[in-house]
Amino acid sequence: QVQLVQSGAEVKKPGASVKVSCKASGYTFTSYDINWVRQAIGQGLEWMGWMNPNSGNTDNAQNFQGRVTMTIDTSINTAYMEVSSLTSEDTAVYYCARGVAHSDNGGYIYYFDYWGQGTLVTVSS
Amino acid sequence: SYELTQPPSVSVSPGQTASITCSGDKLGNKYAYWYQLKSGQSPVLVIHQDSKRPSGIPERFSGSNSGNTATLTISGTQAMDEADYYCQAWESSTSVVFGGGTKLTVL
Repeated sequence: QVQLVQSGAEVKKPGASVKVSCKASGYTFTSYDINWVRQAIGQGLEWMGWMNPNSGNTDNAQNFQGRVTMTIDTSINTAYMEVSSLTSEDTAVYYCARGVAHSDNGGYIYYFDYWGQGTLVTVSS
Repeated sequence: SYELTQPPSVSVSPGQTASITCSGDKLGNKYAYWYQLKSGQSPVLVIHQDSKRPSGIPERFSGSNSGNTATLTISGTQAMDEADYYCQAWESSTSVVFGGGTKLTVL
């Protein structure tokens, strides 16, 4: 069965960086994008970006450009997401999610069918 | 940038029908997706491509999308359906967009 298993909770000081991992199993890792989505406490879901494990192409949401780095190690089916220059506003649960992408007569299709369990990142001095 | 708007909250009595809307410019020309998020859990896809239910999602969940509005409908709502629901779309200029979420209360 498809599984995305994320690394454990982190506590960081303002200005530091955090790197979260997401290990995939149960499917061909290079066939689907890995996306990152976060939910700050009391807030909604916020898409951060995606990375294609096959091509290495990435795209970040405008809010995160320049501060978020996504990488992938296909030898161990693991994706990583690093956020730099952390502030208290980055305190959130971070999820990885598998992206399903294709097209049909109705248009472009892109959604998330499997999600990791979430990683709580707390930024506090 | 493209935006999706959801009502912050919807209330429904057990056994009744709940409807949650998601509005965006010409949303009917795109596909809409819906996720259920319960406290302490990961999001679960409940509707994809406007109206398709993934395997394992109960038949009481249905979706539609036309004009500027997509709608998630839960028929015969149960207490276990109480959760936050998020719509999502793909827009070429901004990639993935989520709505602000709707808290469904079953009372």
